[in-house]
Amino acid sequence: GDSVTQMEGPVTLSEEAFLTINCTYTATGYPSLFWYVQYPGEGLQLLLKATKADDKGSNKGFEATYRKETTSFHLEKGSVQVSDSAVYFCALTSSSGNTPLVFGKGTRLSVIA
Amino acid sequence: EAGVTQSPTHLIKTRGQQATLRCSPISGHTSVYWYQQALGLGLQFLLWYDEGEERNRGNFPPRFSGRQFPNYSSELNVNALELEDSALYLCASTPPGTIFDQYFGAGTRLSVL
Repeated sequence: GDSVTQMEGPVTLSEEAFLTINCTYTATGYPSLFWYVQYPGEGLQLLLKATKADDKGSNKGFEATYRKETTSFHLEKGSVQVSDSAVYFCALTSSSGNTPLVFGKGTRLSVIA
Repeated sequence: EAGVTQSPTHLIKTRGQQATLRCSPISGHTSVYWYQQALGLGLQFLLWYDEGEERNRGNFPPRFSGRQFPNYSSELNVNALELEDSALYLCASTPPGTIFDQYFGAGTRLSVL
């Protein structure tokens, strides 16, 4: 079945460092890809998405490009802030829309000043 | 606009008891999704309700059940609680015709003692 693999955390970075969180997927057809963020004590929030190959999703300085050839959707940010400390989840859903989101296990990011 | 609301915030039960968790979707949203977020396991899909009908179900035993009411709110019931049911239960909703862009509530933390 469909699955998402993301890098194990936790990831600890200093403020203004460059962030990459790797995400690869296995799916039939052409899934849509998502990054969600979960701040402490809160539910998940959609951070960005891409619905077809070569699409780039972006939001709040975060970016991810849908790479079908490498089945990847890596999350990047050029300069992280303490407020970016959270758990980040990569997810997919099928192009048919008949299946719910399939999530990776999440990557915890801690940014220190 | 109110977001997805879940109640209670915390729930403490003992083994063998039943738990009922509630979710109110965003106004205008007709689909509700339930996920279990257990420590170290990421988010696991539980149930999907749309227009009052169960559309899909994850790989969970039948003691996990639920329903959706005419006002689109939803209940998740967990019977014969086991220790491993301890987790954060998240509810999400989407507007008609899409399962993309799921909006999440803050969750109910269920502790089984």
